[in-house]
Amino acid sequence: DAKTTQPPSMDCAEGRAANLPCNHSTISGNEYVYWYRQIHSQGPQYIIHGLKNNETNEMASLIITEDRKSSTLILPHATLRDTAVYYCIVVIAGGGADGLTFGKGTHLIIQP
Amino acid sequence: GAVVSQHPSWVICKSGTSVKIECRSLDFQATTMFWYRQFPKQSLMLMATSNEGSKATYEQGVEKDKFLINHASLTLSTLTVTSAHPEDSSFYICSHSSSWGHSYEQYFGPGTRLTVT
Repeated sequence: DAKTTQPPSMDCAEGRAANLPCNHSTISGNEYVYWYRQIHSQGPQYIIHGLKNNETNEMASLIITEDRKSSTLILPHATLRDTAVYYCIVVIAGGGADGLTFGKGTHLIIQP
Repeated sequence: GAVVSQHPSWVICKSGTSVKIECRSLDFQATTMFWYRQFPKQSLMLMATSNEGSKATYEQGVEKDKFLINHASLTLSTLTVTSAHPEDSSFYICSHSSSWGHSYEQYFGPGTRLTVT
């Protein structure tokens, strides 16, 4: 699976959009981009995933660049409960059935 | 999404004793479950893949005789930490995956915090 690079930490004001970048420059054509988050002392939570098209669900939007070498997770109206470590993970198609390899993620802190 | 529970949520045990952690898939029949551990201020590390009715697959560096995994039913996997030592103190998390065509989502339990004194 391709390696990902994320900033170690980010701050965002409550109510504003939080934009979390992820670099995955070695991604292959059959690899998906997944985002999970982990609130302190809890198990991770699935957020969203995509292959090449932008995706949106009730939690977030995922913007993938045309060359697929990077992506951005957008939390449109961040709340204090969105403070967590966000993990960007690249997984080969069908490989999501395997255990995940977590990097260090981005610690997003929402400021009141 | 699928619900995964773990029991206990936290446990304190003495060095040399064994501890069993249960992972239950409450609304999904999981032929495969995963066990992770997380040390303080570190990321999750996959320990093993638990397969219903067969032996677990362990990641490199994880002692299979120390971390016993049993997956006797489609809704229950257990991890037993045998002869626990203080260095086994960690946050243990289980998960299972659910497929959507060619992609999957993983659903994680709330975790079990083990402290070995």
